[in-house]
Formats: sequence, C-alpha cells, structure tokens
Amino acid sequence: NAGVTQTPKFQVLKTGQSMTLQCAQDMNHEYMSWYRQDPGMGLRLIHYSVGAGITDQGEVPNGYNVSRSTTEDFPLRLLSAAPSQTSVYFCASSYSLTSAISYEQYFGPGTRLTVT
Amino acid sequence: AQTVTQSQPEMSVQEAETVTLSCTYDTSESDYYLFWYKQPPSRQMILVIRQEAYKQQNATENRFSVNFQKAAKSFSLKISDSQLGDAAMYFCAYRSAGGLNTGTASKLTFGTGTRLQVTL
Repeated sequence: NAGVTQTPKFQVLKTGQSMTLQCAQDMNHEYMSWYRQDPGMGLRLIHYSVGAGITDQGEVPNGYNVSRSTTEDFPLRLLSAAPSQTSVYFCASSYSLTSAISYEQYFGPGTRLTVT
Repeated sequence: AQTVTQSQPEMSVQEAETVTLSCTYDTSESDYYLFWYKQPPSRQMILVIRQEAYKQQNATENRFSVNFQKAAKSFSLKISDSQLGDAAMYFCAYRSAGGLNTGTASKLTFGTGTRLQVTL
C-alpha cells in the first residue's frame, strides 16, 4: 500500500491563481479530510468527507472547495489564491466508525503552498 | 466545541533522560479518543500513542506512556530514555467517539504543539 499520497509537495502561486491539491489513498478508507498547518496554530480542519459524494465543512473552509467522486480521491481546490492561504496542507484518511480500528487517521506527507 | 491546549511551546531534554509534555482539553462529551502525534522535520505526522476515554488504564507504547486524568481533562505524554530521534513537534489531539454522527466523530482537534529538543 502507498498509504495516503499528496501532490505536489511544494507549490508557489500568485495571488488570484487557482489550483488543485491532490490527495489519494489506497486503503479503501471511507473518511478523508484536509487540514492546514500554520505556525503556532496546530492543524485546523478545512473540509472532510465521510464517503463518496458526501462532503462537509470543517473549521476553516472559506476559499476552498472539495469534491469526492471516488472513495480513493479527495482533491482540494483553491479558487482564487490569497497570501493568507500560505500554509502546509495535510490530507488524512481513516476507516469508517463501523470498524474497530476506525479511530486511527493516516496522514499524507503534506504540501507546502506559498502564495505571493 | 472541543478545545485542546498545549501550554509548553518548547521543551528540552537531555539524551537518556525523561520528559513530560502537557496537554489539557475541554469537552462535554463522555466518550472520546485522545492522541499524541509526532511531527519530525520531514513534516510527516506520526501517531505515537492513543488513549480511549473509557479505559482507566494509561496507554503505553515502548518508551512512550501517557498520564490520562479524565476528571481533570489532562493527557500528558511521558518520554523515557529520550533519544536524539525523539526531537520533533508533538501534537495532542482529540477525537469524539461520535455515536451516529460519523462526520463529527472523525474530526481531529489539535493543540498548538510542543517543540521538543533533545540535547547530548
């Protein structure tokens, strides 16, 4: 298993540009989520999905869109990048709550995004 | 909403010594999970240890153990025989048990982290 993969690892955008951060998992996990990590603030939840076709907002959703057309993929779209979106982005996944081992989340390696 | 507080931005420990990282949390729920994650310079988030709130026994994983005080809402991490490879950011995190609400139950709430330095 590759686990949770994220691309790209690094990205520089200009203000106003759009882009998609990719996330994929090969563990057949139902739950997937996106976090952003900023200095001194820990990780904060952006959006999450409990299964294909179902998404919901987290703590800091503004400026981001998500979709979940397959179990494996959960892309994060920045519609019009702003300097405030400079951050490290993590994707995570886990089994559903029907599994006895559902409580462990697996994280991808992160994407460092800089918006100038 | 749940909150997680790590009041120690930085800690330092000598190699082979023991260090304790503090974490407190606030919740009105009775059933939940608590975690410690390690983030080395590679940025990868690595699960160190987890504790189920319904278990009174403190979790232990090799050199890592927790002191879980449910009434006090405290969840500290003890690292024994510290090694150079333990140097990293450590995050405390909370996850609801959720019941029927799978979305709520799956979300992790993180503290702001403690940077651990290990010296020779």
